Amino acid sequence: DAGITQSPRHKVTETGTPVTLRCHQTENHRYMYWYRQDPGHGLRLIHYSYGVKDTDKGEVSDGYSVSRSKTEDFLLTLESATSSQTSVYFCAISDDRGSNQPQHFGDGTRLSIL
Amino acid sequence: SQQGEEDPQALSIQEGENATMNCSYKTSINNLQWYRQNSGRGLVHLILIRSNEREKHSGRLRVTLDTSKKSSSLLITASRAADTASYFCATTAGTALIFGKGTTLSVSS
Repeated sequence: DAGITQSPRHKVTETGTPVTLRCHQTENHRYMYWYRQDPGHGLRLIHYSYGVKDTDKGEVSDGYSVSRSKTEDFLLTLESATSSQTSVYFCAISDDRGSNQPQHFGDGTRLSIL
Repeated sequence: SQQGEEDPQALSIQEGENATMNCSYKTSINNLQWYRQNSGRGLVHLILIRSNEREKHSGRLRVTLDTSKKSSSLLITASRAADTASYFCATTAGTALIFGKGTTLSVSS
């Protein structure tokens, strides 16, 4: 398995609170991604990074921000969580060739916002 | 925006039978990938087929790609209970992948 660790694995929080999810990789891959998975929608890209301090928006980026200060860490922040952000969040990585190569996924963070 | 759409949404078979899942997409692609997701886990890459390839094999998996019909199929031969999972196709859009909603496969013994 690719060395990808997501933390926390489960989190329950209240509407309006800030939440930060962490993705840590040991593969030294350039590209890192955050997806959310919801019933009926499959996986949707939130943000991605193509290098340290280089990030871009995905399909469903509203309400989310990201940061990548080191190659190995990619953080996803919900500044003020809403119930619509209840979801399972997956981090993925790929090597220098981006989406033309396989992506390797972490085991996800299940986030519930009450 | 959904690029790939899998069909059927759900499939139930007996061990030893073959399972076929289909994926249709809308725009031109560089490659198409298939992933598996076991319950409660992340996605695992199965196979990547490039737009200039028509068929690819990996163990009990066979993937075909028909770019004229904008469709792909994943065949799992001699299914096992351990193949029970959701299967997703994904196509490229710039740097990112766009996933379909998946086919849920149940293999009973």
